[in-house]
Amino acid sequence: EIVLTQSPGTLSLSPGERATLSCRASQSVSSTSLGWYQQKPGQAPRLLIYGASSRATDIPDRFSGSGSGTDFTLTISRLEPEDFAVYYCQQYGSSPYSFGQGTKLEIK
Amino acid sequence: QVQLVQSGAEVKKPGASVKVSCKASGYTFINYGISWVRQAPGQGLEWMGWIGTYNGNTKYTQKLQGRVTLTTDTSTNTVYMELRSLKSDDTAMYYCARGWELVYWGQGTLVTVSS
Repeated sequence: EIVLTQSPGTLSLSPGERATLSCRASQSVSSTSLGWYQQKPGQAPRLLIYGASSRATDIPDRFSGSGSGTDFTLTISRLEPEDFAVYYCQQYGSSPYSFGQGTKLEIK
Repeated sequence: QVQLVQSGAEVKKPGASVKVSCKASGYTFINYGISWVRQAPGQGLEWMGWIGTYNGNTKYTQKLQGRVTLTTDTSTNTVYMELRSLKSDDTAMYYCARGWELVYWGQGTLVTVSS
């Protein structure tokens, strides 16, 4: 089973700043099978990035994904007020299709 | 438009079973599998399993193996998730979502397990 570890657990930043979120896998993940999700309170998660670096439909270009093997990154270039939420990575290349534990992005 | 509509909230006693439905519309049902994800209160996302709607093939997390069953009904475009021998820590919001890359999600079904 692939374990995904996200860091940091909480990230405190101000609007306009750059956010860098990390997702590390316990074994190699196919780059075509790594996604990032955003979740706000009371809502279902929303897919931001699939295939490690492809933006989902209607996702602003300030969101970008990168990485390969065991290290993946979600970058938000300039934070908007609506970006403060919890972010999860997920691998869907090897069953069970595990999620990371999440990174909470909070307003500083 | 793609929609996944789940059944309503459930309250169950420990040891009981629950069956949650997920009805799909707006796309060709058998072209995508359905994943199930749950989230305990204040906790992260937990992948539970996946079913191929074309042939009924399933994958489950080892943690729930033996207690969870996913089934599909192609006549009604509906997938079912049954969880047996419920415990208090099964209390969670249960979501269905389409495919592997989870673009479309159901609205969630709250299952509360309490004596």
